Amino acid sequence: QSVLTQPPSVSAAPGQKLTISCSGSSSNIGNNYVSWYQQLPGTAPKLLIYDNNKRPSGIPDRFSGSKSGTSATLGITGLQTGDEADYYCGTWDSRLSAVFGGGTKLTVL
Amino acid sequence: EVQLVQSGAEVKKPGESLKISCKGSGYSFTSYWIGWVRQKPGKGLEWMGIIYPGDSDTRYSPSFQGQVTISADKSISTAYLQWSSLKASDTAMYYCARQLWFGVNFLGMDVWGQGTTVTVSS
Repeated sequence: QSVLTQPPSVSAAPGQKLTISCSGSSSNIGNNYVSWYQQLPGTAPKLLIYDNNKRPSGIPDRFSGSKSGTSATLGITGLQTGDEADYYCGTWDSRLSAVFGGGTKLTVL
Repeated sequence: EVQLVQSGAEVKKPGESLKISCKGSGYSFTSYWIGWVRQKPGKGLEWMGIIYPGDSDTRYSPSFQGQVTISADKSISTAYLQWSSLKASDTAMYYCARQLWFGVNFLGMDVWGQGTTVTVSS
């Protein structure tokens, strides 16, 4: 059971937009910064969003992050088939450990 | 180019010891925390712990404390993850990742190694 809660799967058609939620508590998301990772099949995770809403160099602005209270959201617009992947949220927890969500599998129909 | 390159796949028997590596290049290795993340087959990511190669300060997740040892050799820009006695349940992919911190605030993990597959089977 992961400390952060994500929906197991989401889906949408190419060109559409969707959001992936990540729910935590005051021990983690509520008092720390959230990051998001994309893991394409058979590859290492890749940082999409850090510091709640910042994109590393090279990450297109189709990807966005936000945080409110003890929850965070990853937004993706203009969905592409190449976006099919597992997405993970992460943050620090007061138990002195980084924690991740269980992951969300994105399917582009 | 900033990158982390990990050692190759390992196949071991239960009870054996193992040390895998993660070599950094393209940045000041001693100025960033390096962490290890486990991913069991078909499962999610689990943060194991981190080390600051500059002074070898090491922190472990409570779930992995006492189960593994994290170390680093700053002279060759390499971090390590070590087991003294492997179990079948250690079978997983292990990633190293550079940790981003701003003061005491953890911001994320921005550079990842390619992963090392560890298989433990009799």
